[in-house]
Amino acid sequence: NAGVMQNPRHLVRRRGQEARLRCSPMKGHSHVYWYRQLPEEGLKFMVYLQKENIIDESGMPKERFSAEFPKEGPSILRIQQVVRGDSAAYFCASSSGQAQPQHFGDGTRLSIL
Amino acid sequence: GESVGLHLPTLSVQEGDNSIINCAYSNSASDYFIWYKQESGKGPQFIIDIRSNMDKRQGQRVTVLLNKTVKHLSLQIAATQPGDSAVYFCAEPPGGAGNNRKLIWGLGTSLAVNP
Repeated sequence: NAGVMQNPRHLVRRRGQEARLRCSPMKGHSHVYWYRQLPEEGLKFMVYLQKENIIDESGMPKERFSAEFPKEGPSILRIQQVVRGDSAAYFCASSSGQAQPQHFGDGTRLSIL
Repeated sequence: GESVGLHLPTLSVQEGDNSIINCAYSNSASDYFIWYKQESGKGPQFIIDIRSNMDKRQGQRVTVLLNKTVKHLSLQIAATQPGDSAVYFCAEPPGGAGNNRKLIWGLGTSLAVNP
């Protein structure tokens, strides 16, 4: 029973490029959450999605960031026109319901040159 | 050894000793808490959770204690092993146990186990 799968594990982009981060939830999970983590800090919530719907995006910057969770395929976190400050580890979690524990992937480490 | 959480984010213990990691919260209405373990280069791993109608919950080698009077919870690890070396976070959903849509995370405590 595979866990949450994120790819790529490491992503390097130059300033101004686009970054796409993918997350495949655990089998049977329809709730996906994205978090961002800076070194030596806790995780910061970004967005919560269910299939085809954004439920809560209160932690996501209004500009350049977007997320989707299509009916088929992985959830995608997209960052347009990346800047140095976007460098961080981005974690995805999934759960089988709002009241259930979130299970995390091993993250994508984004570095901006 | 004992950590006071946000004010002492690093805890170093000898293998075989018990470890205590602390976490304070501010919202007296908080009713659900989760402890996660994060090893270097990996995602957080669920350890144990506790609801506010309990004072104590035990798992395998771990115990979580909740003191609602002083808004404090602790994670106790018995017979600490080298594989326990990681950063430990307490987290809570601000919407309560039935609304786990997002988690608010503490600063974390780094546990180092000396052989």
